[in-house]
Amino acid sequence: QQQVRQSPQSLTVWEGETAILNCSYEDSTFDYFPWYWQFPRESPALLIAIRPVSNKKEDGRFTIFFNKREKKLSLHITDSQPGDSATYFCAASVNPPQVVGQLTFGRGTRLQVYA
Amino acid sequence: EAAVTQSPRNKVAVTGGKVTLSCNQTNNHNNMYWYRQDTGHGLRLIHYSYGAGSTEKGDIPDGYKASRPSQENFSLILELATPSQTSVYFCASGETGVEEQYFGPGTRLTVL
Repeated sequence: QQQVRQSPQSLTVWEGETAILNCSYEDSTFDYFPWYWQFPRESPALLIAIRPVSNKKEDGRFTIFFNKREKKLSLHITDSQPGDSATYFCAASVNPPQVVGQLTFGRGTRLQVYA
Repeated sequence: EAAVTQSPRNKVAVTGGKVTLSCNQTNNHNNMYWYRQDTGHGLRLIHYSYGAGSTEKGDIPDGYKASRPSQENFSLILELATPSQTSVYFCASGETGVEEQYFGPGTRLTVL
């Protein structure tokens, strides 16, 4: 059973548009939600993260919107750039130290931004 | 300078052979992780460790062993490699209480 689900599997937008990537989760004990991005032939790296005490987290053009009641979150990328083309992974964990920061990853959304 | 390194970067093995993937980190993090990444599956946790001498099973441990002989080193061992273990393997390190994980460059393993 997938604990963390992402949609869509792939997404194409034009430069300047807003890309919206969706994530949902099953386990209500999850309380930390990072997004990692991965460029082709590179390793994943942390992009932005949120805790359920907030329903929004911004970092430049990247914003996470969080809905605890519905167990859903989304990553919005405004003014998308070709350099944003990557695979985006939503992940979740239970607050350490109980489980050593163990992350459960979704299957990813591949974003392509065309110029 | 890269804080998490993996070796080898590429490996071709034969079915039934033994494969050892190595990971070294200079972050001085307590926690280390081994993931595999397959198209359509994202990253799946195989084994993890919260310090030298400890190893714990992740979500998909079958067919894999792990060893953490020191703070810096964490190995993944395939005693009897099978073609289904063909994948890209990532090692990561992280500190308890700080959830970010830092990934190595990955090892591409092909089992023929």
